[in-house]
Amino acid sequence: KAGVTQTPRYLIKTRGQQVTLSCSPISGHRSVSWYQQTPGQGLQFLFEYFSETQRNKGNFPGRFSGRQFSNSRSEMNVSTLELGDSALYLCASSPTVNTEAFFGQGTRLTVV
Amino acid sequence: GIQVEQSPPDLILQEGANSTLRCNFSDSVNNLQWFHQNPWGQLINLFYIPSGTKQNGRLSATTVATERYSLLYISSSQTTDSGVYFCAVGDYKLSFGAGTTVTVRA
Repeated sequence: KAGVTQTPRYLIKTRGQQVTLSCSPISGHRSVSWYQQTPGQGLQFLFEYFSETQRNKGNFPGRFSGRQFSNSRSEMNVSTLELGDSALYLCASSPTVNTEAFFGQGTRLTVV
Repeated sequence: GIQVEQSPPDLILQEGANSTLRCNFSDSVNNLQWFHQNPWGQLINLFYIPSGTKQNGRLSATTVATERYSLLYISSSQTTDSGVYFCAVGDYKLSFGAGTTVTVRA
């Protein structure tokens, strides 16, 4: 069974641009969550989706948004990029809510 | 939110040594996982262990939910065990500790 797939793996963007990251969960998994990892703040929760609905959102500005499609694939978007958005963005999938999470390889975003 | 504290922050081991990593959390939880982050950033699942004891090869873990802590044991450590180990707890979201950086020297 294929694992969680995130694309792209690496990305370099300019301040002020926007970016879209993609996550394909493990087949059959319906819950997708996103996390941001930085050296200063560690791993922080961004949002959680289940059945195309955002159920929970972390403490991030409105520039961070996301969605989930009917096939459970998810995208997250960051608009008006800031230097501080440089981070490793990790996606996790679970069969359903409150169950074991499996992470993808991450997308490393660098904002210059 | 739930506070998660991991100790020690850094651990240097000689190959073949045993070690214990600890995770304390501030509230009762339905989900507790241990991960190993590989050099490329991926979080590798080690244990899903909201309570009880599990073993997988040279690794084992114990969670005492009533006392809000979990332990990860590494026995006969190998250089490939090096990396950052994270404990994460929660329900709809995972709250992560700061991690324990393990360095195993040959």
